[in-house]
Amino acid sequence: DADVTQTPRNRITKTGKRIMLECSQTKGHDRMYWYRQDPGLGLRLIYYSFDVKDINKGEISDGYSVSRQAQAKFSLSLESAIPNQTALYFCATSLGQGPWDGYTFGSGTRLTVV
Amino acid sequence: AQKITQTQPGMFVQEKEAVTLDCTYDTSDQSYGLFWYKQPSSGEMIFLIYQGSYDEQNATEGRYSLNFQKARKSANLVISASQLGDSAMYFCAMSSGSSNTGKLIFGQGTTLQVKP
Repeated sequence: DADVTQTPRNRITKTGKRIMLECSQTKGHDRMYWYRQDPGLGLRLIYYSFDVKDINKGEISDGYSVSRQAQAKFSLSLESAIPNQTALYFCATSLGQGPWDGYTFGSGTRLTVV
Repeated sequence: AQKITQTQPGMFVQEKEAVTLDCTYDTSDQSYGLFWYKQPSSGEMIFLIYQGSYDEQNATEGRYSLNFQKARKSANLVISASQLGDSAMYFCAMSSGSSNTGKLIFGQGTTLQVKP
């Protein structure tokens, strides 16, 4: 099994629908992150969490919410999906002990809002 | 605020030749890290190489090397002896040693195509 698992891998949903993207990890990392990737914009941070009680907004959190159900699980919700939320979404984890700690990424969720 | 800039949206290189992908950054931190990730067409993010701001030697990992010029705030990725499998999107990213959030800031990405 992958260290960081994202489900679903692909999803098409309609405008106005609520959708949840799930992320689970076996790395034992405390820090978890949600990013979205758009062409020409790179990856932008939506939310991040240091533990189940510590959740922080990233640079583009409007229209999204998150839940850290356990150390290993971090879910991203779109309460009412809109077409400009069509993107590739990544979950990532990190030890976060220093600037040398990069990320372990999930495989991504490709979301299309029609 | 931290910023990463990749000014080359797309690059072409002939197979077996070397190629340099540009990355410049802006930060007021003294301690920071610089990363390069590869994203093939399948979409996953693959870690390539890391350089710490206090590292005096340029990082190398196999065919990948990071040309770190601190005064110019650049962290270019050099791929030697390009292979067809190197065709992918490449992202430069930076972490902060002072903020303790562990966040990575990413550049816009460069698409590399290797020609046979």
